[in-house]
Amino acid sequence: AQSVAQPEDQVNVAEGNPLTVKCTYSVSGNPYLFWYVQYPNRGLQFLLKYITGDNLVKGSYGFEAEFNKSQTSFHLKKPSALVSDSALYFCAVRDSNSGYALNFGKGTSLLVTP
Amino acid sequence: SQTIHQWPATLVQPVGSPLSLECTVEGTSNPNLYWYRQAAGRGLQLLFYSVGIGQISSEVPQNLSASRPQDRQFILSSKKLLLSDSGFYLCAWSGTPGGYEQYFGPGTRLTVT
Repeated sequence: AQSVAQPEDQVNVAEGNPLTVKCTYSVSGNPYLFWYVQYPNRGLQFLLKYITGDNLVKGSYGFEAEFNKSQTSFHLKKPSALVSDSALYFCAVRDSNSGYALNFGKGTSLLVTP
Repeated sequence: SQTIHQWPATLVQPVGSPLSLECTVEGTSNPNLYWYRQAAGRGLQLLFYSVGIGQISSEVPQNLSASRPQDRQFILSSKKLLLSDSGFYLCAWSGTPGGYEQYFGPGTRLTVT
């Protein structure tokens, strides 16, 4: 079975400060990990993924994420937050041993204040 | 480049009425296709996925059904809507070479009254 947890319902950060959105996962095989962003009444936009290789992956809009196998985490980060980054962020996992489905976390609402 | 379309964008239907939501993908062939529902709040629930024409896998027993009549067309249907069917329905596709990520459409907001 595969699962993903986003422990924070909401993260607040001031513009210009670094941001972190947390994600932990559980899989039986190797994890394929993803981050998505959703703006109100819109579909999800793909930000970045970890499949294999370098633990630090870079994605769209200046976001990056670090895969930590020992802590089973895949936290999303950005060095300097923008007000326009305010949105709902989803972490997702797919187990290499399972089928095609992605298992999504419940989402973390990011609010960046001016 | 690939694009994914969903329609309608919004829909208000009475309880007991039928439903048909359509999703089409352009710019790729033989994609995997998915239907999700996002209830008020946040979580995404996978409803159906398809790896080819006529091949549908149901993840959760629902008052809904899905069909894939063409390679890049995915339809979500119901014969009789329930109040609990209200939500935001998202279609997605995957299948880029070497990639496992899914790409989502703009969604359909369904309100059952």
